[in-house]
Amino acid sequence: AQSVSQHNHHVILSEAASLELGCNYSYGGTVNLFWYVQYPGQHLQLLLKYFSGDPLVKGIKGFEAEFIKSKFSFNLRKPSVQWSDTAEYFCAVRGRYQKVTFGTGTKLQVIP
Amino acid sequence: DAGVTQSPTHLIKTRGQQVTLRCSPKSGHDTVSWYQQALGQGPQFIFQYYEEEERQRGNFPDRFSGHQFPNYSSELNVNALLLGDSALYLCASSLRDVNTEAFFGQGTRLTVV
Repeated sequence: AQSVSQHNHHVILSEAASLELGCNYSYGGTVNLFWYVQYPGQHLQLLLKYFSGDPLVKGIKGFEAEFIKSKFSFNLRKPSVQWSDTAEYFCAVRGRYQKVTFGTGTKLQVIP
Repeated sequence: DAGVTQSPTHLIKTRGQQVTLRCSPKSGHDTVSWYQQALGQGPQFIFQYYEEEERQRGNFPDRFSGHQFPNYSSELNVNALLLGDSALYLCASSLRDVNTEAFFGQGTRLTVV
């Protein structure tokens, strides 16, 4: 069975602070990894994805994530957050047959 | 190119009633998955449809059923509604090829009273 664990449920940062959101997954085979973002009142949007190749993945809006296979981790990072990054962030893993399992989400609040 | 569209956007039902939610996938996509997102939680996988058949199912009771039509659109049916079924129901479409991401609709907010 596949599972995802997000360590931080609620994060509060000031603008320009650096961000790192933790994500660990559990799955025995080849996985695809994703970070989705849900802005208030909007639908889930893909931030970035990892399928194979370079473990450092760059996404939209300056976000990046690093896949560390030995640690079963896929942490999300951004060097300098903006107020507009206030949203809920979901890490997700997809194993066989395209079943996607989401973490419980991290609510990020950026204070101007 | 329209993305994933869901209808209705909001719905209020009474306990014991039945509900049908609809999803039109992104153009060119052949696989539809449904998720339930309770308040404060991440989306939970309900089931997935491909070639008009349920291919995978999450940990949801038989009250939750679905259908996929030849044009790839899909319906989610929930019978004998419970208060605990109140949630945002998300539809995601994708291509069967494993190396593609899923695109999500805006969801249907179901409230059971």
